[in-house]
Amino acid sequence: QSVLTQPPSVSGAPGQRVTISCTGSSSNIGSSYDVNWYQQLPGTAPKLLIYANTNRPSGVPDRFSGSKSGTSASLAIAGLQAEDEADYYCQSYDNSLSGSYVFGTGTKVTVL
Amino acid sequence: EVQLLESGGGLVQPGGSLRLSCAASGFTFSSYVMSWVRQTPGMGLEWVSEISGSGDSTKYADSVRGRFTISRDNSKSTLYLQMNSLRAEDTAVYYCAEDIGSGSYYRWGQGTLVTISS
Repeated sequence: QSVLTQPPSVSGAPGQRVTISCTGSSSNIGSSYDVNWYQQLPGTAPKLLIYANTNRPSGVPDRFSGSKSGTSASLAIAGLQAEDEADYYCQSYDNSLSGSYVFGTGTKVTVL
Repeated sequence: EVQLLESGGGLVQPGGSLRLSCAASGFTFSSYVMSWVRQTPGMGLEWVSEISGSGDSTKYADSVRGRFTISRDNSKSTLYLQMNSLRAEDTAVYYCAEDIGSGSYYRWGQGTLVTISS
C-alpha cells in the first residue's frame, strides 16, 4: 500500500489547467526528500516529467510544473491537451523502516 | 540511440526462480545507478532494488530482501535481477530504469512480464 496519496482521477476541458495533489507524511515529503512526477501513457513505460520537485527534463513542455510544500506536492498541467490524457504518479523517498523509494497511488487525467 | 531492453520474464511456479536482464546502449552505463521497478494493476508502481554504478552498493525493498539479488556487468552494459522463492504477489511487469539522481528515473526499458502461478 502506497504511502503517497493521490486523487484517483481528475478531468478538464482542453485548454484548462488541472492540478494533481500528492499527500505524504513526515517520513517522506515532509522530511525534505525530493518529489518526482511521471506520466504513463497506456501500454508504455512511465516517463519522467518533473524531477527534484520543480525541474523539467529536456523535452518536457513548460505546461507541466511541480511544486512542494510541507508534506504535500502538486503537479499542474496548464493548457490541457488531448495527448495529456494519461496516468500520473508522484514519487519520493521514505525513511521509515529500512528506507525506500515510494510511488503515489496514481491519478488518471481525462481530457473532456 | 539510448535504449534499455529487458528480457527474461515468463511464467514460473510459486517457489521458483527467474533471472531478468536489462541490456543498455547509447550511454555510459557504468556512470549511473540503475534500478528495478515493478508494476501491478492492483498495487501500482513499486521500487524493487537499486545498484550503484560500480556495483559495490545495493539496496532492496523490504518485500524482496533476501529473495532477490541485483547485479550488473559494466563490461556488457547489462543489469540483472535474480529472483528466487517467487510468490504470487511478485507477479508484475518489471522495468529497469536509469537513475539520474535521488531516485529520478529518466530512462526506462519497455518492461518484461513476470507471472507467478501454478
